[in-house]
Amino acid sequence: DQQVKQNSPSLSVQEGRISILNCDYTNSMFDYFLWYKKYPAEGPTFLISISSIKDKNEDGRFTVFLNKSAKHLSLHIVPSQPGDSAVYFCAARNSGNTPLVFGKGTRLSVIA
Amino acid sequence: DSGVTQTPKHLITATGQRVTLRCSPRSGDLSVYWYQQSLDQGLQFLIQYYNGEERAKGNILERFSAQQFPDLHSELNLSSLELGDSALYFCASSVGTASNTIYFGEGSWLTVV
Repeated sequence: DQQVKQNSPSLSVQEGRISILNCDYTNSMFDYFLWYKKYPAEGPTFLISISSIKDKNEDGRFTVFLNKSAKHLSLHIVPSQPGDSAVYFCAARNSGNTPLVFGKGTRLSVIA
Repeated sequence: DSGVTQTPKHLITATGQRVTLRCSPRSGDLSVYWYQQSLDQGLQFLIQYYNGEERAKGNILERFSAQQFPDLHSELNLSSLELGDSALYFCASSVGTASNTIYFGEGSWLTVV
C-alpha cells in the first residue's frame, strides 16, 4: 500500500523553464512533508520541507506547495538548471514516532 | 558529505549466504534508520534504532536483523540471501527519535548472484 505516490517516473524540462514535480498521499495523519534529491552513486539529500500548517514554503529556486484537501504536494523549480537533473523523492511523516515514508521518486532531466 | 558512513559500498555474494552492512551515524545523532531501494520500489523503510533500542519496524523480512551498538554504529544482517534481495541499502541518522529531517549515507550496493 503506497501511502506516498509519485505517479510520474520521469520528467524532462528545458533549461530555464519551470519543473513541477508532483506527489500525492493517502494518509490524512501526515503532517510534515519533505523533498529529497538524489544524484547517482550518492545518498538522498534533504532539499525542502513543509509543515501541514502552511500551504507554501520557498527556498531560493525551490518552492513546495501543499494542498491538504487534495492530499497533494508539488515541488516547483524555477528556473531549472542542468545541475538539477536528479531523482526527486517525496516523503511524509505524521506527528507520532513514525519514520519517513517515501514515494518511488521522479527522475528529472534538465536539458540544456 | 552527510556525515553518515556506510560500508561496504559494493558487495557481491551468492544466494544462501549471509552479509553484514555497517553504518556509522553523524556525530551526535542517536537514531539510525535502514532503508532498502529496489529497482522499482522506491525507498522502503526497514527498521529504526534509537540509542541502542529498536524504535520502529517496517517491511523488514525475518531473514534480516539489525542492531545498534553502544558506540551508536549499526549493523544490518541479511541472511539466506535470495536474488530478490539485490538492492541498494541506505542507512540514515537523525538526532532524535522523531526528527523531521534525516541524513542519508551513500548506500551499500548488494548484488546476489
